[in-house]
Amino acid sequence: EVQLVESGGGLVQPGGSLRLSCAASGFTFTSHAMIWVRQTPGRGLEWVSGVSAAGDITYYADSVKGRFTISRDNSQNTVHLQMNSLRAEDTAIYYCAKELWQHHVPYGPFDYWGQGALITVSS
Amino acid sequence: QSALTQPASVSGSPGQSITISCAVTSSDVAGSSYVSWYQQHPGKAPKLMIFDVTDRPSGVSDRFSGSRSGNTASLTISGLQAEDEADYYCSSYISGTTVFGAGTKLTVL
Repeated sequence: EVQLVESGGGLVQPGGSLRLSCAASGFTFTSHAMIWVRQTPGRGLEWVSGVSAAGDITYYADSVKGRFTISRDNSQNTVHLQMNSLRAEDTAIYYCAKELWQHHVPYGPFDYWGQGALITVSS
Repeated sequence: QSALTQPASVSGSPGQSITISCAVTSSDVAGSSYVSWYQQHPGKAPKLMIFDVTDRPSGVSDRFSGSRSGNTASLTISGLQAEDEADYYCSSYISGTTVFGAGTKLTVL
């Protein structure tokens, strides 16, 4: 059974940093790109970042480029999202998700999603 | 404004069929070839229901089907059930990124 479990969410002040992690199991982790998608009531679902199966290519939405860094540890089946210079508009539920196709760019479709981690940026 | 336009809400009675449209408004018309549909129940993560316009992942009921006409993709749910009440989002790869529609709330009357 495929499982994606996020951790690391919480409350952070504007300008602060936070690191999200996603532990994956139940599939060949090294064969699939992984992504982060966030969701807010106001802006809906937003693709944030993706990383190739090998971890050598990363992708970012313009809204987070230069502030967020995605990485993966294929020895631990985990993917991380380091979030720096956080803003109020980064407040959202962040989902980790798996790319459906093997060795594909991380732009979907996404066949498994984690339960989500809430990030609140507020003073 | 999203490059994918969905109706805000649709409704139907149990047993009926409903269709949710997703208009690709971007000039990147190839985006209409890669439409996926996700179902999301309150407080839950999205679930992939349809990908590449018409394909259904294993385990998804065949009551769910996808189609496309021109630049508009559609999700049809036949034999509507109470458990189908959820938000539905279309998504596609458009102009170098993944875009989601604003979502359609399906109410089962």
